[in-house]
Amino acid sequence: DTEVTQTPKHLVMGMTNKKSLKCEQHMGHRAMYWYKQKAKKPPELMFVYSYEKLSINESVPSRFSPECPNSSLLNLHLHALQPEDSALYLCASSQVTGGEAFFGQGTRLTVV
Amino acid sequence: GENVEQHPSTLSVQEGDSAVIKCTYSDSASNYFPWYKQELGKRPQLIIDIRSNVGEKKDQRIAVTLNKTAKHFSLHITETQPEDSAVYFCAASRGAGTYKYIFGTGTRLKVLA
Repeated sequence: DTEVTQTPKHLVMGMTNKKSLKCEQHMGHRAMYWYKQKAKKPPELMFVYSYEKLSINESVPSRFSPECPNSSLLNLHLHALQPEDSALYLCASSQVTGGEAFFGQGTRLTVV
Repeated sequence: GENVEQHPSTLSVQEGDSAVIKCTYSDSASNYFPWYKQELGKRPQLIIDIRSNVGEKKDQRIAVTLNKTAKHFSLHITETQPEDSAVYFCAASRGAGTYKYIFGTGTRLKVLA
């Protein structure tokens, strides 16, 4: 199984809502990532978890809150987002020794 | 800071011709260089990668070359087909323990039938 599965595929939320994005992988990868991708731009790193501990936070606003409940799951909790946060949110995983990062299909988020 | 420059930003080729995309990285400690293909509305998918102890790698119609001295690596696609049309991103990483993949700005490749 070389899949990274993200849910939901699409999400529309208001600026006062609270929602969560979910990501799951069963490849035994102990590094998991959240990326944000705007149209026609490369993926932009947000957070990295290594062995279920947050190892990188790229100065992301606190309205984005990551969580790694176990070695297979990664969540991104969203609260009080702004319209400019609308983007494709990609989850990825890799071996901690580096190498290929496997991406999920992404959640297309629209903030209204 | 660390960055990866990628050129060209768009590339149109006739079906059957070759396409070349070039990237230059700034971090001399980078040792892993993947290339991702992203079709419209889909996830980035690895098409080929190279490590710093290798100068060239080939997989069927796709090849990557690396010049560590110049901090330069390139993607070569031969005998292009319409299904090669997509956005291609190069990336550079220091590898184990650092987790950061620094992506290039992307190249939109159009293969004209």
